Amino acid sequence: GDSVTQMEGPVTLSEEAFLTINCTYTATGYPSLFWYVQYPGEGLQLLLKATKADDKGSNKGFEATYRKETTSFHLEKGSVQVSDSAVYFCALFGDYKLSFGAGTTVTVRA
Amino acid sequence: GAGVSQSPRYKVAKRGQDVALRCDPISGHVSLFWYQQALGQGPEFLTYFQNEAQLDKSGLPSDRFFAERPEGSVSTLKIQRTQQEDSAVYLCASSLTTGDHRNQPQHFGDGTRLSIL
Repeated sequence: GDSVTQMEGPVTLSEEAFLTINCTYTATGYPSLFWYVQYPGEGLQLLLKATKADDKGSNKGFEATYRKETTSFHLEKGSVQVSDSAVYFCALFGDYKLSFGAGTTVTVRA
Repeated sequence: GAGVSQSPRYKVAKRGQDVALRCDPISGHVSLFWYQQALGQGPEFLTYFQNEAQLDKSGLPSDRFFAERPEGSVSTLKIQRTQQEDSAVYLCASSLTTGDHRNQPQHFGDGTRLSIL
């Protein structure tokens, strides 16, 4: 079945550091890929998405590229802020339902 | 409403009690999903509705779990004879169409945190 594996956390960074969270997937067909973010005390929010190979999703300075050859969708941000502290979830959309990774907790220190 | 609304936000119950969790999806959204998120884990699919029809309930952990959406809008997830392992955050999500889901993101509510004592 469909599954997502993402980098284990927690990850602690200083402000303005570079962030990468690795995500790989296993799926039949050609799923859409997503990154969701969960800020402290809030619900899941869609951060970015990509629906086909080589698509790049981007939002709020975050980027991820759908790599079919490596079945990956790594999340990157060039310069993180304290406000980026959150839990990040990689997810794939097969048929109609989402399959999520376990989440990566990111803490950014001032 | 502006977003997916879930109630209650927190629920504490004693083992063996029945609980009911409510979800108000975004108005006009055809598809509705329930997920269970255990502590430190990603959400796991429970069940899916398209309007009032429950098209997939393969993720429900046992026959103690039951979901309904009788008028194709509000949905209720019911758990009977609760067990400690049922403690989790229950998330509801909705999306607009039944067409190409690849471009229709799911919008999540804030969840109900269920604690079974």
